[in-house]
Amino acid sequence: KNEVEQSPQNLTAQEGEFITINCSYSVGISALHWLQQHPGGGIVSLFMLSSGKKKHGRLIATINIQEKHSSLHITASHPRDSAVYICAVMDSNYQLIWGAGTKLIIKP
Amino acid sequence: DAGVTQSPTHLIKTRGQQVTLRCSPISGHKSVSWYQQVLGQGPQFIFQYYEKEERGRGNFPDRFSARQFPNYSSELNVNALLLGDSALYLCASSSPRYGQLYNEQFFGPGTRLTVL
Repeated sequence: KNEVEQSPQNLTAQEGEFITINCSYSVGISALHWLQQHPGGGIVSLFMLSSGKKKHGRLIATINIQEKHSSLHITASHPRDSAVYICAVMDSNYQLIWGAGTKLIIKP
Repeated sequence: DAGVTQSPTHLIKTRGQQVTLRCSPISGHKSVSWYQQVLGQGPQFIFQYYEKEERGRGNFPDRFSARQFPNYSSELNVNALLLGDSALYLCASSSPRYGQLYNEQFFGPGTRLTVL
C-alpha cells in the first residue's frame, strides 16, 4: 500500500464544474503539499497545509489531521486548470512523499 | 525576483557517462532538494541540502551525489549512467524559518535527462 493515495487517478469534467481531488496518507507528517504539474514537467506549489483550510482564488485545500485526509477543490473549473495535481506529504525525515497524481481534464 | 533555475534544460548522454545538473535557488532560500521523476510516475526524493549540509537522502545508489555551495546553489552528479536514469530531474528550494523544520518548496522547471 502506498503511503500517499490519491483519488481519482483521472478526472474529466465540463467547464464550470466543481472539482474535488482527494488525498489520504498513512505516515506521520509535518505538512502536506498540493502541487500542479503541467505537460512538460513544470511543477507549481499550490498550497502547503498543516491544519485547517486554505483558499487561493478558485482553489481551496482542506486537511483533517485526525483522519489523515486532504482534499483539493476547484470551483468554476476552466480548461486552463487541466493538469496533473499531486499531493505530497513531508514526513518526519523532511522528505516529500508523493502521491501518484490526478490527471484532470476540463473540457470547454 | 527570479524563481528556481536549473541548467541545462535538456541533456542527452550515453550509458556509462557522468552528468552534472545545476540548480540555483530563490534568493534567500538556503535549502535545496532534488527529485527524480521517471515518465509516468510521481517524483522520488533524492537529496535535501540545508546550509551546505546533507539533511536527507532518498533510496538512490551511491552513483548519485550532490553538494551545495556557499551561495546555496547546488549540483547533482550521477556517475555510470544507466538507461533507467532517464528522467526529469527537479530541484526545489525552500526557506525553513527558525524553529520550523519544513516550509513550502518552490520548484524549478527541471532538467530532462535522456540516457541512450
